[in-house]
Amino acid sequence: DADVTQTPRNRITKTGKRIMLECSQTKGHDRMYWYRQDPGLGLRLIYYSFDVKDINKGEISDGYSVSRQAQAKFSLSLESAIPNQTALYFCATSDQFGRGGTGELFFGEGSRLTVL
Amino acid sequence: KNQVEQSPQSLIILEGKNCTLQCNYTVSPFSNLRWYKQDTGRGPVSLTIMTFSENTKSNGRYTATLDADTKQSSLHITASQLSDSASYICVVSAKKTLTGGSYIPTFGRGTSLIVHP
Repeated sequence: DADVTQTPRNRITKTGKRIMLECSQTKGHDRMYWYRQDPGLGLRLIYYSFDVKDINKGEISDGYSVSRQAQAKFSLSLESAIPNQTALYFCATSDQFGRGGTGELFFGEGSRLTVL
Repeated sequence: KNQVEQSPQSLIILEGKNCTLQCNYTVSPFSNLRWYKQDTGRGPVSLTIMTFSENTKSNGRYTATLDADTKQSSLHITASQLSDSASYICVVSAKKTLTGGSYIPTFGRGTSLIVHP
């Protein structure tokens, strides 16, 4: 089984619909992230969480929200999807660099979202 | 503002040839730099990590270098194979400061490498 699992892997929806992307991990990491990838723009950070009670906005958080239900689970929601949110979404986890950790990001396989 | 710039944006080489990818960064204070490989449609996977005191590190046919003074890193691929076709992403993390900070990584946009037979 993958260390970081994303569901769904592919989703097509219509403008205005609410969408939730889910992420679960078995790495035991405290830190979890949601990234968006668009061609030519690389990976951009949407939200991140360093602990169950910690939620932080990334560089492109508008139009998105997140929930950290447990150490192992971090979900991303689009309350009212719009076509320019069509992208490949990645969840990632890491420990903290230093203090015995490496800080390496472990990514899921991605969730491809298409908003019509 | 922390930034990571990679060059070239894309590169096409013949199988068996060597190539070098570049990464320039302005992340400060510097903590570490990683190179990730991302196959098409997959999540990135770490190739190597460089810290301030390291100049060179190898992982098989991949060799990364770091010049912390000029804030530059390179990834050299030796004897390229078809399976090296991927995007290579430079990711730089800042050090936690006295007032906080959290090692949030800054991503470059990647270099797309295509290896032709």
